[in-house]
Amino acid sequence: KNEVEQSPQNLTAQEGEFITINCSYSVGISALHWLQQHPGGGIVSLFMLSSGKKKHGRLIATINIQEKHSSLHITASHPRDSAVYICAVRSNSNYQLIWGAGTKLIIKP
Amino acid sequence: EAGVVQSPRYKIIEKKQPVAFWCNPISGHNTLYWYRQNLGQGPELLIRYENEEAVDDSQLPKDRFSAERLKGVDSTLKIQPAELGDSAVYLCASSKEGFQENTIYFGEGSWLTVV
Repeated sequence: KNEVEQSPQNLTAQEGEFITINCSYSVGISALHWLQQHPGGGIVSLFMLSSGKKKHGRLIATINIQEKHSSLHITASHPRDSAVYICAVRSNSNYQLIWGAGTKLIIKP
Repeated sequence: EAGVVQSPRYKIIEKKQPVAFWCNPISGHNTLYWYRQNLGQGPELLIRYENEEAVDDSQLPKDRFSAERLKGVDSTLKIQPAELGDSAVYLCASSKEGFQENTIYFGEGSWLTVV
């Protein structure tokens, strides 16, 4: 079993829909990152969370430390949100960054 | 503020040839990472530097890969000789104060194709 599991693996939605991507982890962490990677592009850090909730524009990220779960939400989704969204956690034992497999999101106009 | 800068952006080489990638991290960031990402997979850490010291190179294939970070700023990752399986995106990232939690910033990557 992977230490960081993301779901769904692939998600296709219509423009304007509310999007949720989930991340569960099984190790102790000091922080969790949500990152975005566009096709042919580099990786952009969206959020770094250690507790609670963060919001930036149409993006919201939440984390529940007790349940070892985080969600990334996109409100009023737009085709330009199409990308791979990656969850990565920083292990609090060896400080390694452990990556999820990513969620490929496609927003259709 | 300039982000993490990598070059070259794209490189095509024949197998057994050498190749080098360069990374300039964000000013003031003492931690620098080199990752390799194969198509459809998440990034795999190759090496992590704290200033000029390589603090984690356990995943670096040392028979053909080498890296350096002279003066604790820019870094170079070299592959010699390259193999077909080395085709991937090589990502450089930087952050401030590696063992405390800070946002990691990534470069756009160097896309390597070995033919």
